[in-house]
Parts: sequence; structure tokens; C-alpha cells
Amino acid sequence: SYVLTQPPSVSVAPGKTARITCGGNNIGSKSVHWYQQKPGQAPVLVIYYDSDRPSGIPERFSGSNSGNTATLTISRVEAGDEADYYCQVWDSSSDHPRVFGGGTKLTVL
Amino acid sequence: QVQLVQSGAEVKKPGASVKVSCKASGYTFTSYDINWVRQATGQGLEWMGWMNPNSGNTGYAQKFQGRVTMTRNTSISTAYMELSSLRSEDTAVYYCARDGFWSGPNYYYYGMDVWGQGTTVTVSS
Repeated sequence: SYVLTQPPSVSVAPGKTARITCGGNNIGSKSVHWYQQKPGQAPVLVIYYDSDRPSGIPERFSGSNSGNTATLTISRVEAGDEADYYCQVWDSSSDHPRVFGGGTKLTVL
Repeated sequence: QVQLVQSGAEVKKPGASVKVSCKASGYTFTSYDINWVRQATGQGLEWMGWMNPNSGNTGYAQKFQGRVTMTRNTSISTAYMELSSLRSEDTAVYYCARDGFWSGPNYYYYGMDVWGQGTTVTVSS
């Protein structure tokens, strides 16, 4: 099945920009979705279709996808953004059509 | 509001089975696929499989084939996930989540936008 690779951790100071990558073979040809998960809570969709934000998600969250890398960008990082972030793709041609990345722990310094 | 509400925590012995429920409200249950995703303590999200509540069609991750069964009862808008031959490695939080939907002949996928609160399953002798 398709493999998504994320860095285990990213650290950023408050007010700065965090970038979390998600690597996959020709991932630019797929749609990537991103989830935020805080301790003890269910995941929350923060970006769908590479760069769209569900209602209620701050504009500080944005996404891009090209080539072999998709990126979640969080601008003006706040302490409340500290969480685990997961990328996910839907591969309609696969017998394993939903795939998650391994997750990235975002630490706000 | 749109929500998925799951059944309560379970404690099972190795070799037993567990059945977790996921009740949908606030939307048409048969319109969206339901997925099951699990997460062991300190680990990432692991996709287990999906079900189309309208047709009952299912697709399971190869790792779970032969051990997992996903069903539904449309009259009460509830999806179920049953996992058999439990072992200690199955101890995890199990989530249901809705995602893609059909509109006429077209299938639309916008990610897993609604999640249940999670059900803790503990497998211990």
C-alpha cells in the first residue's frame, strides 16, 4: 500500500511559522488531508483537498502539495497549536484506499 | 449537530471478540462512508477499514482481514465494528469517522470530517 512519511517532531517558537511535511511517491497527484490531534481527543480535520479549510479552522492553517511532498503550514503559531498532526490520502485504485502518515508532534517552545 | 457517538469502554480477554457501535445523528446516515481507525497508546492512527452504510459494502485493511467485520443497522443509524481473536496488541482507542459520499453517479472525498469520541478497548488476561 501507499506510504506517507512525516518527520516525528517539529519545534517552533510562538509567533513563528511551522511547516510539517508529508512525503509520498508522486503525492502531488493525490489529494492530501491533514488532521490535528490533541492529547486525549479525537482527531480534527484542519485541511482537506490539499489546501482547503473546513469552517471554524483559522486562516493561519494552510496547505500545499506538489511533486513528492505535501506541506501543512501554520502561521503565527500559538501555544494552543501544540498537537500531533497527521496527513492522509485517499487512493481509489488501491485495496488499502485510506492511508495515514505516521504523525508529527508539533512542540511550541 | 452532526455527530458520531460511540459505545463505552470494553475490557476483553485474549481470544475473545469485541463489538463497538457508532451512532450517527444530524445527517443522513446512508449518505457517507464510515471508517474505523485505531490508535494504540503513544502511537499513530491506523486505518482498519470502511463501510458504505447504504449498500453495506466494506473494505478492510489487509492486516485485519479475517478478523474484522463492519456492519450497520440503518433503522437506527448505527455502524458496528467487530474484531475477533483479540490479542494484547489490539489494546487501543477505536474511532469511527465519516468521509466520502455519493451524489448521483459521482463519489466525493473531502477527508474524515466527523469523528466519534473514541472507544477504549483493553485486552488483558
